[in-house]
Amino acid sequence: AQSVTQLGSHVSVSEGALVLLRCNYSSSVPPYLFWYVQYPNQGLQLLLKYTSAATLVKGINGFEAEFKKSETSFHLTKPSAHMSDAAEYFCAVRSSGGSYIPTFGRGTSLIVHP
Amino acid sequence: DTAVSQTPKYLVTQMGNDKSIKCEQNLGHDTMYWYKQDSKKFLKIMFSYNNKELIINETVPNRFSPKSPDKAHLNLHINSLELGDSAVYFCASSQTQANEQYFGPGTRLTVT
Repeated sequence: AQSVTQLGSHVSVSEGALVLLRCNYSSSVPPYLFWYVQYPNQGLQLLLKYTSAATLVKGINGFEAEFKKSETSFHLTKPSAHMSDAAEYFCAVRSSGGSYIPTFGRGTSLIVHP
Repeated sequence: DTAVSQTPKYLVTQMGNDKSIKCEQNLGHDTMYWYKQDSKKFLKIMFSYNNKELIINETVPNRFSPKSPDKAHLNLHINSLELGDSAVYFCASSQTQANEQYFGPGTRLTVT
């Protein structure tokens, strides 16, 4: 079984501030982890993924995430928020074998203030 | 050059009607999916097809019937629409079952 918890349905930051979106997972087997971004009225777009290689993963638009097995976490960060980063962010987990269907978190809405 | 496309983008219809949503991917992927996103943004897998064969069929009313005429298309037909079917429906595809998914722009279905 696998599950994802995203802490905070809304995160508000000022432009230029650090972005931190939290994701904790549970999985009975080694996981693959993903972050997707959904801009208003659009589909989901893959930001980055962890597939058991480097634990620090760099993605598009300056985002990165670190896999921490001891904390079962995969938090998403960006050093400096831009207004264009305002969107819904989804963390997803799936097993590295067996069922390949990912389980998505409930999403975190990132609000960026000028 | 859209990778995963869906039509229509918006669909407003009355209870009891039958409607279809079409999905096409031009990525050459083997696997396609349908997801439902509710008003609280929760994403739930409905179906998955691999090489035109149904491989995942989650707990979905049998009023929902997917059809895959070829690897590049996965359509969703819904019979006897109900108010609770109102949601955004996303099509997605992946190279294989093991790869990350690419999503279409979504179809916002409103049942009145």
